[in-house]
Amino acid sequence: SAVISQKPSRDICQRGTSLTIQCQVDSQVTMMFWYRQQPGQSLTLIATANQGSEATYESGFVIDKFPISRPNLTFSTLTVSNMSPEDSSIYLCSARGFSGNTIYFGEGSWLTVV
Amino acid sequence: AQTVTQSQPEMSVQEAETVTLSCTYDTSESDYYLFWYKQPPSRQMILVIRQEAYKQQNATENRFSVNFQKAAKSFSLKISDSQLGDAAMYFCAYRSGGPGGGNKLTFGTGTQLKVEL
Repeated sequence: SAVISQKPSRDICQRGTSLTIQCQVDSQVTMMFWYRQQPGQSLTLIATANQGSEATYESGFVIDKFPISRPNLTFSTLTVSNMSPEDSSIYLCSARGFSGNTIYFGEGSWLTVV
Repeated sequence: AQTVTQSQPEMSVQEAETVTLSCTYDTSESDYYLFWYKQPPSRQMILVIRQEAYKQQNATENRFSVNFQKAAKSFSLKISDSQLGDAAMYFCAYRSGGPGGGNKLTFGTGTQLKVEL
């Protein structure tokens, strides 16, 4: 299994600002993903972070709002841009290893926008 | 598109007893994977158990086992000898096994499990 670390674990952000969440995996992985979990809700996939190229976004999510980088096989960032209270959520990084069919998750970053 | 349904928003179980959480899914695919994840108050999503659709044998992991009924598209989780540490939100999830679609997890809405003394 992979150990996935996220920073920050929690933050309170001002409306209109942007915040970048970092995700570090302890081993090389094929795929990295970013999910959003709104309060009391299930998880929704935002995008797949592709190494060295633009992320692949799911319907309803756009690059201008959620720019993603993945410079190597173990690291990715998600930026939540121009935040509004509706962006208050837990953002989870996840990864799939080269072997196996399981997707593992980080501990999440809990953002509150005021 | 695949959907995952968890019809029990909340469940309670007495410590040391057994509880079963329900999950159904809808898909036209034959190759897929099913998962149960646990999310305690710490928010970390922890993999509990995984089932490959091509396997007839139900997966087990210590006190956790599944009842996988492929024809009925049902994937329930049984927790035996429940412990206080089992209290958490449990999510059922589906992942396609086919090429190009094998990365996205589709989650159910979750079941909040309470464990009582």
